[in-house]
Formats: sequence, structure tokens, C-alpha cells
Amino acid sequence: GAVVSQHPSRVICKSGTSVKIECRSLDFQATTMFWYRQFPKQSLMLMATSNEGSKATYEQGVEKDKFLINHASLTLSTLTVTSAHPEDSSFYICSALDRRGSEKLFFGSGTQLSVL
Amino acid sequence: DQQVKQNSPSLSVQEGRISILNCDYTNSMFDYFLWYKKYPAEGPTFLISISSIKDKNEDGRFTVFLNKSAKHLSLHIVPSQPGDSAVYFCAARVRNAGNMLTFGGGTRLMVKP
Repeated sequence: GAVVSQHPSRVICKSGTSVKIECRSLDFQATTMFWYRQFPKQSLMLMATSNEGSKATYEQGVEKDKFLINHASLTLSTLTVTSAHPEDSSFYICSALDRRGSEKLFFGSGTQLSVL
Repeated sequence: DQQVKQNSPSLSVQEGRISILNCDYTNSMFDYFLWYKKYPAEGPTFLISISSIKDKNEDGRFTVFLNKSAKHLSLHIVPSQPGDSAVYFCAARVRNAGNMLTFGGGTRLMVKP
């Protein structure tokens, strides 16, 4: 079946540094990918929709200059958390839309970001 | 305003019994609903879905029921197994609106042996 690979699975960084998270669709082309954030014991909150070859669409309250999204190819989207601060510590999950057949959404395994 | 709500944060069930997870929604434009299962520190995995034109969809031990008039859906797992212990999220989508999913808050299911 379709697989979405997300890397890294865990990252610890110092405050002020930038962190890049990659999301790859391994056996299908994903023109649309989504980035979510999950705080402990809370739901998945959509941060932005990433469309290949165009600018990402950010949800209300999400700083686009802080969370840079690049969807440069049909199989790769990246989320860069710039100048990370402790309040950015969270679990970030990407998903990719497989438009073949019934348009299923497949999720990556997530990235646990801890900012010291 | 939460458009998709899962009012029970947790549910404990004995192995072999039925697990019923509930989900309510407010947006009448939702026309496709999905259930995802999530283990700690992992991404959600798709379980089962239902279109608004149906009221029931079954896949093995998992059945989803949709009551459009009540804006309510439920996931039934029978028989429940210890490996079903996870957090279950319901999600809703407005077709032709960018395929964005709106998630409920999740229900933690614990199946006791």
C-alpha cells in the first residue's frame, strides 16, 4: 500500500535554531500534502496545506514566516520551523493525499520536536 | 468552535466485548467521515470511512454508523482486542474543499485482557 515517510522521527534542538522536517510519499505522487501539529492529549490541528509548485495555504493563527513549507516536487514536502522556541515543542505530522482511486489520505509517522 | 467533537476522552472495555466510540459534528457541509487509529508517537492510520449517502459501512470487526439527522457517527469494534488499545480520531471532510480534514479530539480506548 501507499507509504508516507517522515523524517526525522525525533529532534532535540536549542532555542533559536531551525529544524527541517521532511515528508515523502514513497509510491505515489502527492500534489497535496498537509501538515498537522498535535499537543499532548489534544487533537491533530491542521497547520497548512501544501500544494506542489505553489505557495502553501496556512490556517488561521499559523505564522507562515515561522513555519516554512516547501513542496518542490510531487513526492516531497518540507516543513522548516525557523528560530525554534520551547513553545514550538510538539508532535508534527504530515499527510499526503493519494488521488488514485478513492483519494485516501496517508500519514507520516510524525516528528517529536523538543526545543530546549 | 469545534466542528467535530468526541465527547468521551477515554473508554475502557473488556476483551471480547463491543467498543463503541462516538463522534458528533456541527457542519452540515461535511459529506465524508473517517476514523483513524493512533498509537503514541506515531502517525494516524486509516481505519474506515463512510460517505454521507450511506448510513453504515462495515469492514471486518469495524463498523461505522452515520446518523445524518443527528449529525452523529459511531465506530463499533467487535470483538474488541487488546491490540485495539489506542487513540481513535474521527475526522470529517467537505468534498471539493481542498480535502482538508477536521479532526475530533480523540478517544483513548483501553481494551483489558
